[in-house]
Amino acid sequence: GNSVTQMEGPVTLSEEAFLTINCTYTATGYPSLFWYVQYPGEGLQLLLKATKADDKGSNKGFEATYRKETTSFHLEKGSVQVSDSAVYFCALSDPDAGGTSYGKLTFGQGTILTVHP
Amino acid sequence: DTAVSQTPKYLVTQMGNDKSIKCEQNLGHDTMYWYKQDSKKFLKIMFSYNNKELIINETVPNRFSPKSPDKAHLNLHINSLELGDSAVYFCASSQLAWLGNEKLFFGSGTQLSVL
Repeated sequence: GNSVTQMEGPVTLSEEAFLTINCTYTATGYPSLFWYVQYPGEGLQLLLKATKADDKGSNKGFEATYRKETTSFHLEKGSVQVSDSAVYFCALSDPDAGGTSYGKLTFGQGTILTVHP
Repeated sequence: DTAVSQTPKYLVTQMGNDKSIKCEQNLGHDTMYWYKQDSKKFLKIMFSYNNKELIINETVPNRFSPKSPDKAHLNLHINSLELGDSAVYFCASSQLAWLGNEKLFFGSGTQLSVL
């Protein structure tokens, strides 16, 4: 079946530090890959996505590149801010999995990021 | 205007009670979902409805019963609540059920505490 594995958290950084959150996946077909972010007390919202190999998703200074050869979709940001403190979720949607993944995102376990001034 | 709204935001109740969580979306989407987030932030799908029809029913106890009176609403009723049901429940919606290039819109969650 499909699965997503994220690096263990929590991650604590100082403002302006470089951020990497690792994400690897297992899928039966050719999935689309997503990063969602959950700010305190809110629901998840889409941060960025990539739908095919070598695509790069980017938004708000965050980037992630779909690497089929390493089955990875690592999230990076060059200089984090206090306002980036949140929980980050990697997710996949695998529409080729014989219909069993129809209408379903598979999420990783979430990585808590705290940025200090 | 809130796109996906769910009520109540907090729900504290005793074991054995029956409770409902309501969800409404004003985006005109065809598909709605319930996700459960445990204390470790792990998020797992419970149900999905497309145009009022159930399309996903994960391995969820039958004490949990979703109801979709129309495609803008998906309510979650829980019978005989147990301690292990304590979690944050998120409602979500998407335009299509096929999520290859779709985005989910989430509500802000209902924190359920069973005492």
